[in-house]
Amino acid sequence: SAVISQKPSRDICQRGTSLTIQCQVDSQVTMMFWYRQQPGQSLTLIATANQGSEATYESGFVIDKFPISRPNLTFSTLTVSNMSPEDSSIYLCSVAMQYGSYEQYFGPGTRLTVT
Amino acid sequence: DAKTTQPPSMDCAEGRAANLPCNHSTISGNEYVYWYRQIHSQGPQYIIHGLKNNETNEMASLIITEDRKSSTLILPHATLRDTAVYYCIVRVEYGNKLVFGAGTILRVKS
Repeated sequence: SAVISQKPSRDICQRGTSLTIQCQVDSQVTMMFWYRQQPGQSLTLIATANQGSEATYESGFVIDKFPISRPNLTFSTLTVSNMSPEDSSIYLCSVAMQYGSYEQYFGPGTRLTVT
Repeated sequence: DAKTTQPPSMDCAEGRAANLPCNHSTISGNEYVYWYRQIHSQGPQYIIHGLKNNETNEMASLIITEDRKSSTLILPHATLRDTAVYYCIVRVEYGNKLVFGAGTILRVKS
């Protein structure tokens, strides 16, 4: 299994600013993902964070708005850029130990409010 | 990945079995059925998965119909701590993406 921590746990930000969210895993993992959960909604996959290369983004999400880094097998960051109130959501990091693992582990999430 | 359909909400009495249905009529032969749940203010948690045989673990049982077009997650003795949103997801065996639908809100009541 994997234990995932995220920083910050919550934040309130002004529109037009950027916030970087960190995801730290207690063991090396192959796959890391970032999800968004808008208020009262289900989870939507933003991108797969690839170590040492550009992230793979899902339809509707672009690198300029959500730049992602993954420098090693235990850490990743997601930046929410030029924020607007519509970006107010919970952002979750998840991991899979191996490619194709049946189980994914999720972090506690970062609750972002944009005013 | 195939689309799933779940009832928006269900109630269950504490101590009774909770049976959560899921329809996945367009499932392909190489797609598995996964169940996750999300307790309020937490990240989702894996429960169980299966291909065509019934599966059981310490948390739940998964019953998949013979034609694989639907399945039921069974929590044998629901407790108040099982109150959560339950997501039924269809995914290829070695895929990585989890596509979450709306899920079912299960309320366990004393």
